[in-house]
Amino acid sequence: DQQVKQNSPSLSVQEGRISILNCDYTNSMFDYFLWYKKYPAEGPTFLISISSIKDKNEDGRFTVFLNKSAKHLSLHIVPSQPGDSAVYFCAASANTGNQFYFGTGTSLTVIP
Amino acid sequence: KAGVTQTPRYLIKTRGQQVTLSCSPISGHRSVSWYQQTPGQGLQFLFEYFSETQRNKGNFPGRFSGRQFSNSRSEMNVSTLELGDSALYLCASSRDEKLFFGSGTQLSVL
Repeated sequence: DQQVKQNSPSLSVQEGRISILNCDYTNSMFDYFLWYKKYPAEGPTFLISISSIKDKNEDGRFTVFLNKSAKHLSLHIVPSQPGDSAVYFCAASANTGNQFYFGTGTSLTVIP
Repeated sequence: KAGVTQTPRYLIKTRGQQVTLSCSPISGHRSVSWYQQTPGQGLQFLFEYFSETQRNKGNFPGRFSGRQFSNSRSEMNVSTLELGDSALYLCASSRDEKLFFGSGTQLSVL
């Protein structure tokens, strides 16, 4: 039972353009969301988070948008750079300690 | 500040054996979580320990167990290994509701 879904396994974007990665969830109790980036042979690295009391959070080139009514969040990367090529995971928590539910990931390729 | 350290990096076992994986969290972090990553399944939560007590447990069989020591280091044990246990096992320590992951232990069960 996948409570967090990333329906696009892969995405290719030209360098300098915007990358938009999407994530949907089913559990209305989720109130905290994270995005992680993962390179091969490394552990996931934290990118950005958002609480359910907000609908947007920015950190440099990264912006996360949350639409609670649609149970949907997205990560925007502007401008995209070749070093952003990695697998991106979204994760959600229902304020139950540090138990997070992860999506299956989207592999982003930024083409120079 | 040192990151999360997991040992060993790679492990090959045969069916029926048991295995113990180790995790040293970032200094000062008291919560340690374990996740299993398999192709197509993303990261699946195994359990979380906080101050030597299991605080949360995911939907895995009892063959998967863990513990945490007084210095916050954690171990995870899998008994009676099955082929389907082949995966990347990730440990994460946490602070301010963020998970900081180690590089993982790649377990192959033959």
